[in-house]
Amino acid sequence: DGGITQSPKYLFRKEGQNVTLSCEQNLNHDAMYWYRQDPGQGLRLIYYSQIVNDFQKGDIAEGYSVSREKKESFPLTVTSAQKNPTAFYLCASSKLAGAGTDTQYFGPGTRLTVL
Amino acid sequence: GQNIDQPTEMTATEGAIVQINCTYQTSGFNGLFWYQQHAGEAPTFLSYNVLDGLEEKGRFSSFLSRSKGYSYLLLKELQMKDSASYLCAALDSNYQLIWGAGTKLIIKP
Repeated sequence: DGGITQSPKYLFRKEGQNVTLSCEQNLNHDAMYWYRQDPGQGLRLIYYSQIVNDFQKGDIAEGYSVSREKKESFPLTVTSAQKNPTAFYLCASSKLAGAGTDTQYFGPGTRLTVL
Repeated sequence: GQNIDQPTEMTATEGAIVQINCTYQTSGFNGLFWYQQHAGEAPTFLSYNVLDGLEEKGRFSSFLSRSKGYSYLLLKELQMKDSASYLCAALDSNYQLIWGAGTKLIIKP
């Protein structure tokens, strides 16, 4: 079945450690996105990528890094520079970036807790 | 600035009808999305409107008025499984989604 997978579902890390969240899609979508969701707030865009080997900062990129070496994969690294990393992280993909009717489809999410 | 407003929480009765409103202010506009999100899960796509009017899809309908910067999601024949958060998101001139904080819908028997 086609879809988006994220792993792990729950992740715990100690303060000061970097951690990488996985996102894979087999939908043949060009665009991929990382969002952060906190209670009582809308989804906030961290990074997005419209094509392999290219990515753009979103609204809250500080303390995060990404790579897009393959069309199917868009991992997110939460670095120790991120001041408040505890959150629910959602990865999404869409067929074409910049298309008006282009719907984003989401993975199941990773809940990161910093101890 | 860009902004999406929707009520924080609503309560409705099983079998009834509920309307969830959303107002938006964005730099340009390329359409409005509604997503459903059950607690602890990913958002799932419900509807997309770019033209004024009502789009009906089974028990769910979505309405858009571009001149008023307003949309609503109408849920009919409510079922317990409809208890979830409903997210409104507008696509701005750069084709970036601007998200509301979501409306938590509580369904009572």
